[in-house]
Amino acid sequence: NAGVTQTPKFRILKIGQSMTLQCTQDMNHNYMYWYRQDPGMGLKLIYYSVGAGITDKGEVPNGYNVSRSTTEDFPLRLELAAPSQTSVYFCASIPTGSYEQYFGPGTRLTVT
Amino acid sequence: KNQVEQSPQSLIILEGKNCTLQCNYTVSPFSNLRWYKQDTGRGPVSLTIMTFSENTKSNGRYTATLDADTKQSSLHITASQLSDSASYICVVSPLGGYNKLIFGAGTRLAVHP
Repeated sequence: NAGVTQTPKFRILKIGQSMTLQCTQDMNHNYMYWYRQDPGMGLKLIYYSVGAGITDKGEVPNGYNVSRSTTEDFPLRLELAAPSQTSVYFCASIPTGSYEQYFGPGTRLTVT
Repeated sequence: KNQVEQSPQSLIILEGKNCTLQCNYTVSPFSNLRWYKQDTGRGPVSLTIMTFSENTKSNGRYTATLDADTKQSSLHITASQLSDSASYICVVSPLGGYNKLIFGAGTRLAVHP
């Protein structure tokens, strides 16, 4: 298993541009999450999904959108990038009936 | 407000020494408490997960303790190695689902030769 994979690893966006951060897991996990990690702060939940076709907002959803058309993929969309969205983004998954959470390697995004 | 606070913010120790990292939380009721290790430029990796009824859990040279009465947890690292240099994150899961995990800001540990 490749686990949780994220692409790209790094990206620089100009203000107002759009992009999609990709997240894929090959472990057949139902629960998937998007977090952002800012310097000196704990991870904050952006969106999560409990299964294909089901998504819900986390603590900091403004400026982001998600979809979950398959169990494997959970892309995060930024429509109008703002400097406040400069952060490191982590995707994670949890199998049903487990506490164990698996994280991807992260995407470092800079908006200038 | 549910919070998780970790101390110290950063720590430098010499290779081979022991150290203890602290986590205080105000989350109640809670389901479980986790410690993660995050290497620079990588995603967090789980070290230990303790339910509210557990007092201690070990993973090799890492031992986590939990005192649910005082709402404190600690992570003890024995005989530190250079590869232990990383951030260590305490995470508390309240009752009600994994969408409510509360992450501490982490302790950055540097192990020097």
